[in-house]
Amino acid sequence: QVQLVQSGAEVKKPGSSVKISCKASGATFSSYTLSWVRQAPGQGLEWMGRIIPIFGVENYAQKFQGRVTITADESTNTAYMELSGLKSDDTAVYYCTRTDSWDFDYWGQGTLVTVSS
Amino acid sequence: SFMLTQPPSVSVAPGQTARITCGGNEGTNTVRWYQQRPGQAPLLVVYDNRDRRSGIPDRFSGSNSGNTATLTISRVEAGDEADYYCQVWDSSRDHAVFGGGTKLTVL
Repeated sequence: QVQLVQSGAEVKKPGSSVKISCKASGATFSSYTLSWVRQAPGQGLEWMGRIIPIFGVENYAQKFQGRVTITADESTNTAYMELSGLKSDDTAVYYCTRTDSWDFDYWGQGTLVTVSS
Repeated sequence: SFMLTQPPSVSVAPGQTARITCGGNEGTNTVRWYQQRPGQAPLLVVYDNRDRRSGIPDRFSGSNSGNTATLTISRVEAGDEADYYCQVWDSSRDHAVFGGGTKLTVL
């Protein structure tokens, strides 16, 4: 059974950066794709980007280009999402999710990031 | 840009059938559906337009006419109350796209 465990909640100042981790277990980490999806309070799901660890390839939603970086450490089965230039409307729950044939079939528990001065 | 449109809300009495639609401005290719209960992560319920994920009750079914995909929940139960999202992969931009979500209320 695949499990994705994310790091804990964060409170950040506007203009700063946040880096969230997502540790995977139960499957071969490098053989699949990991995406990051966020959800602002009371809002819908928004895809941010993905990484294919085995190829070291990532791509990002245009909205986040230049502000988001997704990386993966195969030695620890952990993916990371770093978002810079934080603004108040970046306040959201951030999820990592395994992407299998373009389906998001396993999700982390979510990490709340609060951006506040 | 590619967009998916869902009704904001659908209400249905217990035991009745709920239908949640998902329209694409550039058609609806392979659609997935996710259920999200309050405070929980989304859960994949239907993939490839109509295939149920293992463990999902057969009361959940999906269909796709090419421009509109539909998630049908038969014999609705109180536990089905949740937000439901459709999703496709926009292959031209290599991006995932989600619909805005539909809140299913069981009366």
